[in-house]
Amino acid sequence: AQTVTQSQPEMSVQEAETVTLSCTYDTSESNYYLFWYKQPPSRQMILVIRQEAYKQQNATENRFSVNFQKAAKSFSLKISDSQLGDTAMYFCAFIRGGATNKLIFGTGTLLAVQP
Amino acid sequence: KAGVTQTPRYLIKTRGQQVTLSCSPISGHRSVSWYQQTPGQGLQFLFEYFSETQRNKGNFPGRFSGRQFSNSRSEMNVSTLELGDSALYLCASSLAGGDPYGYTFGSGTRLTVV
Repeated sequence: AQTVTQSQPEMSVQEAETVTLSCTYDTSESNYYLFWYKQPPSRQMILVIRQEAYKQQNATENRFSVNFQKAAKSFSLKISDSQLGDTAMYFCAFIRGGATNKLIFGTGTLLAVQP
Repeated sequence: KAGVTQTPRYLIKTRGQQVTLSCSPISGHRSVSWYQQTPGQGLQFLFEYFSETQRNKGNFPGRFSGRQFSNSRSEMNVSTLELGDSALYLCASSLAGGDPYGYTFGSGTRLTVV
């Protein structure tokens, strides 16, 4: 069975600084995808960034980037130039390749951006 | 384009009652998945529907059921409500399921059982 672990329940960062959220996963699959989702107080889960397991290049979306270490099964999220609007719960998620598979989420990291 | 719409936003029900939640996916999306989110258990997969058929089911009792209509709208039903069913229920839509481009979520229905 696949598992996703986020070991940081809460983190805090000053506005404009950089913060890294950690995520590790466990799987024996070779075809899978990894995601970071953001859940602000509005409750809606918003996709932040995605990574295909077969791609060695780390994904980047504006201020958000990942450090994907496949051998170590690590998938951390770096947020640069943190903004107050980044305050939210962040979930790491995994899905096996294949149409009928489901998202498996970590327990989340609550990020507070301080002014 | 319109996002994923979940109704109602909030519900308060009494133990023993039943409840139906609704999810309208993004136009063109044929897969709808449901997740339960609680502080204790986190996000857990309930089930997934594709073209009106349940394709995948999580580890929940039979009191939890769902269906999907021909227009891809989905409903989730919980019968004989228990206090532990209090949760945020999230619906996610995707083109065909197992979507490598990620799922689009609704804002959820907050269910409180008293």
